Amino acid sequence: NAGVTQTPKFQVLKTGQSMTLQCAQDMNHNSMYWYRQDPGMGLRLIYYSASEGTTDKGEVPNGYNVSRLNKREFSLRLESAAPSQTSVYFCASSARPEAEQYFGPGTRLTVT
Amino acid sequence: GQQVMQIPQYQHVQEGEDFTTYCNSSTTLSNIQWYKQRPGGHPVFLIQLVKSGEVKKQKRLTFQFGEAKKNSSLHITATQTTDVGTYFCAGPGAGGTSYGKLTFGQGTILTVHP
Repeated sequence: NAGVTQTPKFQVLKTGQSMTLQCAQDMNHNSMYWYRQDPGMGLRLIYYSASEGTTDKGEVPNGYNVSRLNKREFSLRLESAAPSQTSVYFCASSARPEAEQYFGPGTRLTVT
Repeated sequence: GQQVMQIPQYQHVQEGEDFTTYCNSSTTLSNIQWYKQRPGGHPVFLIQLVKSGEVKKQKRLTFQFGEAKKNSSLHITATQTTDVGTYFCAGPGAGGTSYGKLTFGQGTILTVHP
C-alpha cells in the first residue's frame, strides 16, 4: 500500500496563476483533509471531507477550493495564487472523522 | 472556537536527558492524539488516548490524558538523537460544525544534542 500520495512534491507559481494539488489514498478511508503548515503556526486545516460527497471549510479556507472526486481522491485548487499561500501543504486521510490521520509527504509551494 | 495550546514551543536537551511536552485544550476532548514530524517530513501518528486519566507507554515514551480530559502530556525518558522532531497533540472538535475536524496544537520542536 502506498498510503497517501500527493502530487506535485514541489511547485513554484507566479502571483495570479492557478494550480491543483492532487491527493489520493489507498486505505479505503472515508475522511480526507487538507492542511497547510507555516513556520511557528502548526498545522492549519484548510478544508476537509468527512465522507465521500461532503466537504466543509476548515480554519483557513479563503483562496482555496476542494473537490472530493471519489472516495480515494481529494484535490485542492488555488484559483489565483498569492504570496501568502507560500507554504507546505499536507493531505491526510482517516478511516472515519476524528480517527487517527495518515499524512501524505507534502507539497512545497512557493508563490512569487 | 476550540483551542489547543502546547508548551513549550522549543526544547533543547542533551542526549540522555528527559523531555516533556504539555497540551491543553479549551474544551473537554473525547480523545487526544499525538503525532511526530521529523525535520523535512510529514506528521506520523503515534498514539490516541481516550479514557480519563489514561496512561500509555511506547518504549521510552509515556503519554497521559488528564482526569478532566482537557490536558495531556508526552514524556520521553533518556532522549536519543532519533527523537529529534516536532511533537503535536491534536483533539477532535466538540461536535456540530466542528465534527470531523482535528485541532492541532502548535507543536513542540525538540532538539537533541549528542
